[in-house]
Amino acid sequence: DIQMTQSPSTLSASVGDTVTITCRASQSISDWLAWYQQKPGKAPKLLIYRASSLEDGVPSRFSGSASGTEFTLTISSLRPDDFATYYCQQYDEYPTFGQGTKVEVK
Amino acid sequence: EVQLMESGGGLVQPGRSLRLSCTVSGFSFGDYAIAWVRQTPGKGLEWLGFIRSKPYGGTTEYAPSVEGRITISRDDSKRIAYLRLSSLKIEDSAVYYCVRDFGGAVAVKFNYWGQGTVVTVSS
Repeated sequence: DIQMTQSPSTLSASVGDTVTITCRASQSISDWLAWYQQKPGKAPKLLIYRASSLEDGVPSRFSGSASGTEFTLTISSLRPDDFATYYCQQYDEYPTFGQGTKVEVK
Repeated sequence: EVQLMESGGGLVQPGRSLRLSCTVSGFSFGDYAIAWVRQTPGKGLEWLGFIRSKPYGGTTEYAPSVEGRITISRDDSKRIAYLRLSSLKIEDSAVYYCVRDFGGAVAVKFNYWGQGTVVTVSS
């Protein structure tokens, strides 16, 4: 199976910061990658699919990019509502998820 | 409004089977593939499998980790998808989500999620 490795595991940031989360696939997955946001006690929410396509209704401060097997989620001008855990997920083969990155208040 | 709602979770003994239901509303159920994803603090998020819509054959795909123990089915007339997992192990304890993709052929990225149902496997 394809392993997805996220970094960092935890990220401390302040409102207004720009934050970047990285996800590396263990093999080529083309651009078959999604990003999710999850808050405590809630289901994950799809933010981005196909590496850089923004899901309907997701603010434009969220963006995704890809370079080979490395994928990046960028949150520009962090807002209070953005403190959460973020997961990447590949769907080139049967889906697998990264272990998550918690964005916490600095 | 698209809604998915899981039911059937609870306490189950090791070695027994569970059947979860996913009741949907707000969209044409028969047009979409439905998947099941579970989450544990230790292993994180794990895709278990999906069932295609009937126009795409209504066939299933399962994760290797649960192949042989899992059955996903659907009743389009009732707008319900089912997950059956047999020979339960302690490590099957998790929050189980039913999820939907953009179409009927596959369910591999998930733009709609249920609220989840907790399954605890314990004697």
